[in-house]
Amino acid sequence: AQKVTQAQTEISVVEKEDVTLDCVYETRDTTYYLFWYKQPPSGELVFLIRRNSFDEQNEISGRYSWNFQKSTSSFNFTITASQVVDSAVYFCALSEDNTDKLIFGTGTRLQVFP
Amino acid sequence: ETGVTQTPRHLVMGMTNKKSLKCEQHLGHNAMYWYKQSAKKPLELMFVYNFKEQTENNSVPSRFSPECPNSSHLFLHLHTLQPEDSALYLCASSQVEVQSNYGYTFGSGTRLTVV
Repeated sequence: AQKVTQAQTEISVVEKEDVTLDCVYETRDTTYYLFWYKQPPSGELVFLIRRNSFDEQNEISGRYSWNFQKSTSSFNFTITASQVVDSAVYFCALSEDNTDKLIFGTGTRLQVFP
Repeated sequence: ETGVTQTPRHLVMGMTNKKSLKCEQHLGHNAMYWYKQSAKKPLELMFVYNFKEQTENNSVPSRFSPECPNSSHLFLHLHTLQPEDSALYLCASSQVEVQSNYGYTFGSGTRLTVV
């Protein structure tokens, strides 16, 4: 069965701190896709990144970086030099091959204080 | 404004009312979804429509009735709801292709309160 676990319910940091959001997944498939979404207070989930299971290269996009480790079934997300605008709920999601269903974790609420 | 538009943004309804949520996608996608987001619970997939055909119904009570008249529009008809149905209802769309998954584009949601 597929499952996504985001053990951190809430994280609070002060601006300019680095913060890592954890994501651990379970799947029996060898081909699968992992995603991160951001949900600001306005409600819509904003796509951040997609990674397929064959691409373990870490990715950096500005202040955002992602660390994909198949050996530990983790896909962690780091925000460097956090800003108040980063305050949101962040969701990790998994989709197995040949299905369009996304299974979401419970989300991590990040609060960045000035 | 995202490529997926949901109306209304907020809705308050009594338990005996009938109302509908509307979702429209402007992205040319071939699949659309309804998700329910309740406080302190994971996002719950309710319905999946692929090429206008319902391909998934995750044991959703019959008081929720989806309709997909074409690949750009999706409705969720509501009747005789319960207070525990109060939640954020999110619509999403995606382009489903063989051996690939590009994820979803979400709308801003409808915040539903049942009184």
